[in-house]
Amino acid sequence: AQKITQTQPGMFVQEKEAVTLDCTYDTSDQSYGLFWYKQPSSGEMIFLIYQGSYDEQNATEGRYSLNFQKARKSANLVISASQLGDSAMYFCAMKVPGAGSYQLTFGKGTKLSVIP
Amino acid sequence: NAGVMQNPRHLVRRRGQEARLRCSPMKGHSHVYWYRQLPEEGLKFMVYLQKENIIDESGMPKERFSAEFPKEGPSILRIQQVVRGDSAAYFCASSPGQGTPLMNTEAFFGQGTRLTVV
Repeated sequence: AQKITQTQPGMFVQEKEAVTLDCTYDTSDQSYGLFWYKQPSSGEMIFLIYQGSYDEQNATEGRYSLNFQKARKSANLVISASQLGDSAMYFCAMKVPGAGSYQLTFGKGTKLSVIP
Repeated sequence: NAGVMQNPRHLVRRRGQEARLRCSPMKGHSHVYWYRQLPEEGLKFMVYLQKENIIDESGMPKERFSAEFPKEGPSILRIQQVVRGDSAAYFCASSPGQGTPLMNTEAFFGQGTRLTVV
């Protein structure tokens, strides 16, 4: 079974600073995908970034980057130059191939608050 | 992703009533997934459907919950005889299909339906 752990229930960051949101995962599969989603107060789930287990480079999407450390089974999200609009819940998720490959397994999330 | 349409956005039901949640996938997507988010929790998988076919309902409660994805029209998640514990946000996601490699598989979510049982 797969498991995602997000140990930071809440985080604060000053506007324009960088912030790292932690995510560790547990799976016995060698092939898997890791995802980060943002959920603002309006409630929708917004896909941010994806990292495949065989990708050699860390994924980047604009101000978002994924610090992928395979040996430590961590996939931390780094947001650079934080903006007030980044205040939201952030969820780490994982998908593995094979039976149940269509299922995303989510962590409990981290609530990020950006301080002006 | 705005392409996955869910309605209604908010639904209030009294205990014992039925709730029907609708999901129209993105254009060209033939696979639909339903997830439930309880307060202060991440999303939990409920059911995966293709047109006219339930592929996996391992996350669905055994009673009162059902889902369908007919040949024509949206996918429907039906909750009969709702109870207070059913209050949650229900999200629908879609993808092109199982032929899509894992590396390119990302679920596009709708805006969710927030069900409140009073």
